[in-house]
Amino acid sequence: EPEVTQTPSHQVTQMGQEVILRCVPISNHLYFYWYRQILGQKVEFLVSFYNNEISEKSEIFDDQFSVERPDGSNFTLKIRSTKLEDSAMYFCAGSRGPMNTEAFFGQGTRLTVV
Amino acid sequence: AQKVTQAQTEISVVEKEDVTLDCVYETRDTTYYLFWYKQPPSGELVFLIRRNSFDEQNEISGRYSWNFQKSTSSFNFTITASQVVDSAVYFCALSEMGYGGATNKLIFGTGTLLAVQP
Repeated sequence: EPEVTQTPSHQVTQMGQEVILRCVPISNHLYFYWYRQILGQKVEFLVSFYNNEISEKSEIFDDQFSVERPDGSNFTLKIRSTKLEDSAMYFCAGSRGPMNTEAFFGQGTRLTVV
Repeated sequence: AQKVTQAQTEISVVEKEDVTLDCVYETRDTTYYLFWYKQPPSGELVFLIRRNSFDEQNEISGRYSWNFQKSTSSFNFTITASQVVDSAVYFCALSEMGYGGATNKLIFGTGTLLAVQP
């Protein structure tokens, strides 16, 4: 069964450093998302991406965050200058359509900012 | 305002008991989707079910069943004859149609931790 793959599974970084989280979505998916989950809390929407541009973003997704899909396969989330409060599990997800299909999630990348 | 409430933070049952996880949602949209996801201790999010707002039929899949009641804005999830492997955090989520084109972001509840004891 096809799956969404995220790398790395765990990343530790120093405050102020840039990190890039990578995702390989399922090949026939057209809509892509990043969500995050601070430890023990609910899963929160960050950004949705369709047709090579951001279609929606949350208040969390400020200027420190960016997404791109440079080569048509990898979908990346970049955090420019990490803060302690960016420590969380980051999930990539993809779906075939906007409303009539479910989103398939990757296994997540645990980001720890020290 | 869109919101998903899972009032039960933790539930503990003994194996073979039935358990119901509650989910109440708020939305102004008439077209929306409701979801349940399972998050086992390994951390991934596993899709369980999607329901659209026009389909109030209850659904059963093996030991799992879902009760969607628009009148009470609830989408409850029942596990029959629970097993230890059902131990996980369960999230209810809502997806609205949005404006200016479709968007599919999921609004999650805070989750219910289900512990099934042997």
